[in-house]
Amino acid sequence: NAGVTQTPKFQVLKTGQSMTLQCAQDMNHEYMSWYRQDPGMGLRLIHYSVGAGITDQGEVPNGYNVSRSTTEDFPLRLLSAAPSQTSVYFCASTRTEGISPLHFGNGTRLTVT
Amino acid sequence: QQPVQSPQAVILREGEDAVINCSSSKALYSVHWYRQKHGEAPVFLMILLKGGEQKGHEKISASFNEKKQQSSLYLTASQLSYSGTYFCGTEGYGGSQGNLIFGKGTKLSVKP
Repeated sequence: NAGVTQTPKFQVLKTGQSMTLQCAQDMNHEYMSWYRQDPGMGLRLIHYSVGAGITDQGEVPNGYNVSRSTTEDFPLRLLSAAPSQTSVYFCASTRTEGISPLHFGNGTRLTVT
Repeated sequence: QQPVQSPQAVILREGEDAVINCSSSKALYSVHWYRQKHGEAPVFLMILLKGGEQKGHEKISASFNEKKQQSSLYLTASQLSYSGTYFCGTEGYGGSQGNLIFGKGTKLSVKP
């Protein structure tokens, strides 16, 4: 049981480059979300999705795009990377029904130079 | 709006107790607690629902005072394995357990 899988684990970008962080889950969870983690700032919500075709903004959405074409996948796109986007990114998923915790992926460490 | 966690950091000797607090300025439906080891993903500890219920996980328990929008995490007879950063994640009314708002974390260090 893979759970939540994120790729890549590490990435270095130059300012202005674009890239997509991949996230996939095999638990048939409706809810998926992206968080970024910076030292001393905790986990901040970027975007989330309640199901295929539905996305919404979190606390810090600027500079990021998402889409949800399938239940399993929730990619995060950086259109023009900036040094301020240097961070560790976590994807998470959970059920919408009942009481359920967030299941986190192992994270992607992104450095923008 | 991020909940406020206190203290920011705490150092314990094995066997000592600790309390970590989480306060929100908005009405809460639930509070989730996670622990994160360095370089790893956060790991779920427990969920507290409105009603002030106290939940337990080994020697770790928590309470939720919905009137004060506060939750406290109690670590009893701490072990070395308890070291890490603890985060509370809050769910407001109209929100969802899928888009929790997390505090900045409390770093707990347990020494032999």
